Amino acid sequence: GAGVSQSPRYKVAKRGQDVALRCDPISGHVSLFWYQQALGQGPEFLTYFQNEAQLDKSGLPSDRFFAERPEGSVSTLKIQRTQQEDSAVYLCASSPISGIGELFFGEGSRLTVL
Amino acid sequence: GENVEQHPSTLSVQEGDSAVIKCTYSDSASNYFPWYKQELGKGPQLIIDIRSNVGEKKDQRIAVTLNKTAKHFSLHITETQPEDSAVYFCAAASTDSNYQLIWGAGTKLIIKP
Repeated sequence: GAGVSQSPRYKVAKRGQDVALRCDPISGHVSLFWYQQALGQGPEFLTYFQNEAQLDKSGLPSDRFFAERPEGSVSTLKIQRTQQEDSAVYLCASSPISGIGELFFGEGSRLTVL
Repeated sequence: GENVEQHPSTLSVQEGDSAVIKCTYSDSASNYFPWYKQELGKGPQLIIDIRSNVGEKKDQRIAVTLNKTAKHFSLHITETQPEDSAVYFCAAASTDSNYQLIWGAGTKLIIKP
């Protein structure tokens, strides 16, 4: 497809389970971002990749959160031992340039932790 | 660090009227200010952005103004239409420091027919 694709769109996990969220960016896009969006709030930065290099992971809330982009294309956000406070929409965005510019967002993965 | 405040949180206007959403930022190093529109169940989509070397930018019915001295910027939508109903987010970033966009909390715009 032409846009950013995220899967799954919806995920329900029991507290303590591990989850993996996938992002397929627009082909050829250099930059990839992960954001967390709580209900009624703006997105909050989690991490940034330039190609396969993770240049900034300062927004990851804890060491339970891990992201990778091993071949500089598809990215996976993994959350270990999920907690209720992890419930949110996880948005992936890509950009054709490095640094700040227009971000192209996927539709998000809504995670609900019971 | 940067902090972005956005208001109002909800704005209801009559179809055809104008809508104005305002944001303030705290970090004088910020020099890039995008506005995103988010429809229900979708990801945000860029509608307009401005860099700190200009004071105003227009694109058809949408305009953004920037006051660097006061550290505030505004989104103006004229001749509002039903399809303008959505949540609008402002954001700020410094292109010289890092890659983090700091977002406002959003404004839910309701266009009344």
